[in-house]
Amino acid sequence: EAQVTQNPRYLITVTGKKLTVTCSQNMNHEYMSWYRQDPGLGLRQIYYSMNVEVTDKGDVPEGYKVSRKEKRNFPLILESPSPNQTSLYFCASSFLPGTGTSPLHFGNGTRLTVT
Amino acid sequence: GNSVTQMEGPVTLSEEAFLTINCTYTATGYPSLFWYVQYPGEGLQLLLKATKADDKGSNKGFEATYRKETTSFHLEKGSVQVSDSAVYFCALSPRESSASKIIFGSGTRLSIRP
Repeated sequence: EAQVTQNPRYLITVTGKKLTVTCSQNMNHEYMSWYRQDPGLGLRQIYYSMNVEVTDKGDVPEGYKVSRKEKRNFPLILESPSPNQTSLYFCASSFLPGTGTSPLHFGNGTRLTVT
Repeated sequence: GNSVTQMEGPVTLSEEAFLTINCTYTATGYPSLFWYVQYPGEGLQLLLKATKADDKGSNKGFEATYRKETTSFHLEKGSVQVSDSAVYFCALSPRESSASKIIFGSGTRLSIRP
């Protein structure tokens, strides 16, 4: 089954404790992206990747890191989480967006709470 | 630049009512347009899409027509059900080789009363 898999679904942590949220897709998509969703703010893009070893900042990259060492994986790293990073996070993938026709496929989300 | 504007929610309707959620866009060139739906506790999933002017996307009783002259892609359903309660996002994908992302509207929360 074609899917984007994120783990974990729920994560509670404390300020400053490094964490990684994993994301994997099995559709051979070049493009992968991380979003956060907050009430009243909609979806905001954190980082994206157009292919292996090619990553770039989205709209709200501060406090986050990503890597794309393999085509299928795109982990999100919070080196020193803070309470303002408490949010619902989504990973998504697609073929390259410039074609205009490839929809994004989303994971089921990771709800992160930083205390 | 590219942008999407959709009607603010929440929208509350009774079961079997007619639904319209407005979406307008600004884009260079001829983008593709999408509606995504997010059910409670889940990620976004594609509801329907249209890739050129006058195309009509449809799925699960929902429809939207790509209107280039009014730069709109309004979502409609003739008779909503309680199970349609969700958040709906309008989105635009530019047809530019340099494009790096899909542009999302702010989302519209829909609640259907039995």
